Amino acid sequence: DADVTQTPRNRITKTGKRIMLECSQTKGHDRMYWYRQDPGLGLQLIYYSFDVKDINKGEISDGYSVSRQAQAKFSLSLESAIPNQTALYFCATSLAGGSYNEQFFGPGTRLTVL
Amino acid sequence: GNSVTQMEGPVTLSEEAFLTINCTYTATGYPSLFWYVQYPGEGLQLLLKATKADDKGSNKGFEATYRKETTSFHLEKGSVQVSDSAVYFCALRDTGTASKLTFGTGTRLQVTL
Repeated sequence: DADVTQTPRNRITKTGKRIMLECSQTKGHDRMYWYRQDPGLGLQLIYYSFDVKDINKGEISDGYSVSRQAQAKFSLSLESAIPNQTALYFCATSLAGGSYNEQFFGPGTRLTVL
Repeated sequence: GNSVTQMEGPVTLSEEAFLTINCTYTATGYPSLFWYVQYPGEGLQLLLKATKADDKGSNKGFEATYRKETTSFHLEKGSVQVSDSAVYFCALRDTGTASKLTFGTGTRLQVTL
């Protein structure tokens, strides 16, 4: 079974619609992250959360919001989707503390905004 | 600010060829460096890492050495296989930035028979 799961895996929506992408993890990690991947741009950090009560903006948070419902769940919302939010979205998790924390990625959600 | 620059792809090689994917970085502190691999339809997986200067990370026949003097972390493999076809991302985690990673743009590798 996958340790980091994302739902849905694919979604097509229209401009102006509200969309929620969900991420769940069974790794017991405190830290969770949302990234978007665009061709030729690598991954960019949208939001990250170090625990349920600690949520932080990343590089490109405009147009997005998040909710950390529990240690294991971290949702990303697009309140009013626009076409330039078409991208591949990844959730990731990591342990807290230490000099090095590997991030474990989910399989991704491909979002298309028409 | 922090940044990672990778060679542009795609890189196309024949099986058993030697692979080098260049990566250079800019960081304000003393970063840890990583290579992640993304196979088709999957999320990223950590391939190897190095946490200080002159460290060599290695895994699955891939190697990369942390070169502080040239701010580089080039990925190498002596003999690639078709199963190595994937997108490779160089990334850094700088001191003082908690667990945040800065990624390069990725390099697609295609290995043919």
